[in-house]
Amino acid sequence: EVQLLESGGGLVQPGGSLSLSCAASGFAFSSYAMSWVRQAPGKGLEWVSSIRGGGGSTYYADSVKGRFTISRDNSGNTLFLHMNSLRAEDTALYYCAKDRIRLGYGWDFDYWGQGSLVTVSS
Amino acid sequence: EIVLTQSPATLSLSPGERATLSCRASQSVRTYLAWYQQKPGQAPRLLIYDASNRATGIPARFSGSGSGTDFTLTISSLEPEDFAVYYCQQRSIWPPLTFGGGTKVEIK
Repeated sequence: EVQLLESGGGLVQPGGSLSLSCAASGFAFSSYAMSWVRQAPGKGLEWVSSIRGGGGSTYYADSVKGRFTISRDNSGNTLFLHMNSLRAEDTALYYCAKDRIRLGYGWDFDYWGQGSLVTVSS
Repeated sequence: EIVLTQSPATLSLSPGERATLSCRASQSVRTYLAWYQQKPGQAPRLLIYDASNRATGIPARFSGSGSGTDFTLTISSLEPEDFAVYYCQQRSIWPPLTFGGGTKVEIK
C-alpha cells in the first residue's frame, strides 16, 4: 500500500525558515518523480516544486524560486522541501504527491499525502 | 503559463442526476489533462488522466473527454459520495504545472 506521510509543518514568522519531510512507503521510491503541491486555506491547488526520480532535475514555481529547495533521499525513501524567506502568502497545507508513471514523467499525481500545515505569521 | 478555467464554479444537483464539468485551457494541452476530486479535509484523488483514462479504482460513472483546449468531466449519475470539489490539471507545457480553480458539486 502506497503511503506518503508529511511532517515538519508549523508556525513560523515572516522571513523565517522551515523544512518539510515526506516519508514514502509501499512503492519503489527512487523510480518515481515526486512533487509538492500546496493549498492555501479555502483556496485551490497550486503546484510548488517537482524532482525527478534520480534527484538530478528539479523544478519550481516562480512564486517560490530562489526561496524553496526540493530534494530527496532515495536510500531513506524521503522527500524534502526546505523553505526560506517565508511570506504570509506561503501559508498553506503542503501536500507531497507521487508521479503516476514509473521510470517516466507523468507529472500528474496518483497518490497524495494528507498534508502538512505551514502558517507564516508574526 | 497555461491558465485553466473551470466552469461553473458551483454546480447544484441532486443524487442520480448527471454532472457535466468544464475545463478550458488558454492554449492547447493536447490530451495531457487530469481531473482530481477533493472532499473536505481530504487530499485530492486522481480520477482521470490523459483526458479520458480512468485511474485505478475509479468507478465507471466518471468519464473524461476532450482535447486541445476544451475538456469535460462527466459523472453519469451522482452518488452521495460524489459531492466534492473537482480540479483539472495540465502537464503539457510546464513548468509550471497548473490547476484549474475548481468546480464545487453541491447537493441541491
